[in-house]
Amino acid sequence: DTAVSQTPKYLVTQMGNDKSIKCEQNLGHDTMYWYKQDSKKFLKIMFSYNNKELIINETVPNRFSPKSPDKAHLNLHINSLELGDSAVYFCASSLGQKLHFGNGTRLTVT
Amino acid sequence: GIQVEQSPPDLILQEGANSTLRCNFSDSVNNLQWFHQNPWGQLINLFYIPSGTKQNGRLSATTVATERYSLLYISSSQTTDSGVYFCAVEYRGSNYKLTFGKGTLLTVNP
Repeated sequence: DTAVSQTPKYLVTQMGNDKSIKCEQNLGHDTMYWYKQDSKKFLKIMFSYNNKELIINETVPNRFSPKSPDKAHLNLHINSLELGDSAVYFCASSLGQKLHFGNGTRLTVT
Repeated sequence: GIQVEQSPPDLILQEGANSTLRCNFSDSVNNLQWFHQNPWGQLINLFYIPSGTKQNGRLSATTVATERYSLLYISSSQTTDSGVYFCAVEYRGSNYKLTFGKGTLLTVNP
C-alpha cells in the first residue's frame, strides 16, 4: 500500500528516558514533516525536511532531534522525556503542497 | 504569524442534514487545505483549495482568497462524517509551513 507509515503506534515510557519514532513514506514525496497534536487537538508543526535538508525548525526544545537518512524516511528522537511531551506525534509528507499524514504515535510519559 | 479561526467550534447534526464550516484567515495565503480527523485519530486530506471551488462526493469547498475565508460544505451528513475538521493555511513566505486552525468538532447522530 502507498502510505505514510510511522512506528510505534503507542509509546508509553518514563520521564528521563530517550525514545525514537520512525516514519517512512513510499509516495515518492520530497518533503516530510513532524507535527505535534496536544491534548486539545491543536496541531503544530515541529520540523520539515526537503530532500534530506532541514527547512523548518520551529521553537522546539533541543531534546527533540529529527534525522532524515534519505528522502523517504524522517525519524524523531527525543531525549530526556518530560511529562509535557505527552501528545500525539504525526509524520506527514508532501509533493508540492498537498499534505498526507501518517496515523500518529501516541506518546505517554509517566 | 497568520491567524486561522474556524467556526463553529462544535456542531451536532442529525443524519441527513447539511452543514457549512467556515475558516477565516488573517493574511494572504498560497495554500489552504481541509482535513478530517476521524474518531480513530486518522487525519485525512479532504481538499487542497487555495482558491475557487472543488467538489468530492457529498463534500465541497470554496475559498475566496481575496476575502480571506474558506467554506466546507457537507451535504446529507452521515455518522461516518463525525470527527474534527481542520483548516490549514500557508501564508506567502512561510516556506511550506502550514498553520492549523483549532478545528470544528462535528457529531452526526443517527
